[in-house]
Amino acid sequence: DTGVSQDPRHKITKRGQNVTFRCDPISEHNRLYWYRQTLGQGPEFLTYFQNEAQLEKSRLLSDRFSAERPKGSFSTLEIQRTEQGDSAMYLCASSPFGETQYFGPGTRLLVL
Amino acid sequence: RKEVEQDPGPFNVPEGATVAFNCTYSNSASQSFFWYRQDCRKEPKLLMSVYSSGNEDGRFTAQLNRASQYISLLIRDSKLSDSATYLCVVNEEGTGGFKTIFGAGTRLFVKA
Repeated sequence: DTGVSQDPRHKITKRGQNVTFRCDPISEHNRLYWYRQTLGQGPEFLTYFQNEAQLEKSRLLSDRFSAERPKGSFSTLEIQRTEQGDSAMYLCASSPFGETQYFGPGTRLLVL
Repeated sequence: RKEVEQDPGPFNVPEGATVAFNCTYSNSASQSFFWYRQDCRKEPKLLMSVYSSGNEDGRFTAQLNRASQYISLLIRDSKLSDSATYLCVVNEEGTGGFKTIFGAGTRLFVKA
């Protein structure tokens, strides 16, 4: 499968724990995006990388959230000191130069 | 005011009907526009880009009115398989690159 992959697909954690999600984009896509989606809402933009450079961050990305793309390929999204309000689907997308974004299946996070 | 607004629906239509969705956006400097489709518990997938001149792809027609800052999607001859949530998407220029803003989506149910 050459699509965008995300790992894990599901994560249950206790409030206050740290979690890290991984996204592997489509090979040779230089742009990578992270979104958060809650029930009944559209995806909310979190951040965007072009190669290894993080070019844009939403105000939603508080200081508990950090994203990296160290080699311009896969990316990680870490949430520190999770809160119940962080429960959501975390979506990753990638695109080549151009604007069509291809989404991964998402990581569903539940914070107890 | 939300950056991208859509009627959440749901729209319940019979097979063969024509249905239209509208979307408004608040940032007049928005650069590009799309419709995505999202099936229940799945990731969003690009349906079509939206151009100022209007564009058509089979049964689907998209229109953009920059002066009024709205985007439309028309679906003709609805099929059962068209049942999904339709997301209006706008790319805005950000501080370092651009950011992608999704509407909350319009739900469509096509009935036999």
